[in-house]
Amino acid sequence: DSGVTQTPKHLITATGQRVTLRCSPRSGDLSVYWYQQSLDQGLQFLIQYYNGEERAKGNILERFSAQQFPDLHSELNLSSLELGDSALYFCASSVDGGPERVAFFGQGTRLTVV
Amino acid sequence: GNSVTQMEGPVTLSEEAFLTINCTYTATGYPSLFWYVQYPGEGLQLLLKATKADDKGSNKGFEATYRKETTSFHLEKGSVQVSDSAVYFCALSDQKSDKLIFGTGTRLQVFP
Repeated sequence: DSGVTQTPKHLITATGQRVTLRCSPRSGDLSVYWYQQSLDQGLQFLIQYYNGEERAKGNILERFSAQQFPDLHSELNLSSLELGDSALYFCASSVDGGPERVAFFGQGTRLTVV
Repeated sequence: GNSVTQMEGPVTLSEEAFLTINCTYTATGYPSLFWYVQYPGEGLQLLLKATKADDKGSNKGFEATYRKETTSFHLEKGSVQVSDSAVYFCALSDQKSDKLIFGTGTRLQVFP
């Protein structure tokens, strides 16, 4: 158990809908990362937050947004869903987000868009 | 930009065989390098890391040496087990940004 909790584990929704994925980082970790893992794209970095502020942005679509709350949990919002958004979405956390830090991953949320 | 290139999988081996999974990187400065492993149905777990040139990371019989001259961080294990079957990801952490950049992953299948 990595200590990072993601909910829900599975999500099935229709095209055009909006969903919210939730992540609770390890106790004491200030930095949260979101990744998308799909068969054709591999593991893609989406966005990082550190202590409530956005720190780095990757290949995140405009239809997607995220935030980190004062209690450090984070949510990833996906809207106007398309079939191609079906993927595993991972959250990871680390203590301080520095270059030598180890990221601890949750078990992921599997999103299926039908 | 920074990137990580891994050998294509799957890598199929018999138990007790020697394993090498190649990883090369492109980066400015001196990144930290990592190997993560993903077992079926689970999230990624750190396997080992190295933070400077010539460092050797090791864990659970796996080793990788940070080679700056060849920009490589190849993963090796002397004798694989069926339980090592998983997807292995090489990654780097850029000093200038906080991104953790992953390779595409290499699936390892070990048969008894």
